[in-house]
Amino acid sequence: GQQVMQIPQYQHVQEGEDFTTYCNSSTTLSNIQWYKQRPGGHPVFLIQLVKSGEVKKQKRLTFQFGEAKKNSSLHITATQTTDVGTYFCAGPRGSARQLTFGSGTQLTVLP
Amino acid sequence: EAGVTQSPTHLIKTRGQQATLRCSPISGHTSVYWYQQALGLGLQFLLWYDEGEERNRGNFPPRFSGRQFPNYSSELNVNALELEDSALYLCASSRTNTEAFFGQGTRLTVV
Repeated sequence: GQQVMQIPQYQHVQEGEDFTTYCNSSTTLSNIQWYKQRPGGHPVFLIQLVKSGEVKKQKRLTFQFGEAKKNSSLHITATQTTDVGTYFCAGPRGSARQLTFGSGTQLTVLP
Repeated sequence: EAGVTQSPTHLIKTRGQQATLRCSPISGHTSVYWYQQALGLGLQFLLWYDEGEERNRGNFPPRFSGRQFPNYSSELNVNALELEDSALYLCASSRTNTEAFFGQGTRLTVV
């Protein structure tokens, strides 16, 4: 079953509102990655976090990696219609370091 | 540098037939992942190949199989197609412990 959980599964926001998606792993991750899939497209890599407690920003997007390296969050400030899509987290898990994706959060931004 | 390429982009098959999907990873990437994505849903992990070997498979029946060739390209075979196999099949490649790059996908329709 899915061992990297994401919540919420769906989120509808009004344009200009903030949005946050959370990612939780049952085991410690050496790194956490975030991807965005636009409607009709394929997932595209956004960023990778490696250090415990790390915070990175990309314009209106803020990514955090938890102190225990088991959870992460993506926060979007003042959403725009261009933010629409599904956001996935992923991390290498298990002794074989398989890249494991979360279930994704589908964001809808209402104009 | 070329990205991950998948072929064909679209495939229409009838129930009971076999489908073969192909993936060429980015040069230097030894890992290839296959995912099934039904319309509007998340990434369902199918298979993971690394260095020519199958490292893990998801919770799919044995009629889903594949292989990785010495040049690291990969093939996904689906036998005895069923209507519910209709989906977008995504291939991703990566180096160990780094981000994944996805192809555009193969849209398989079973009629």
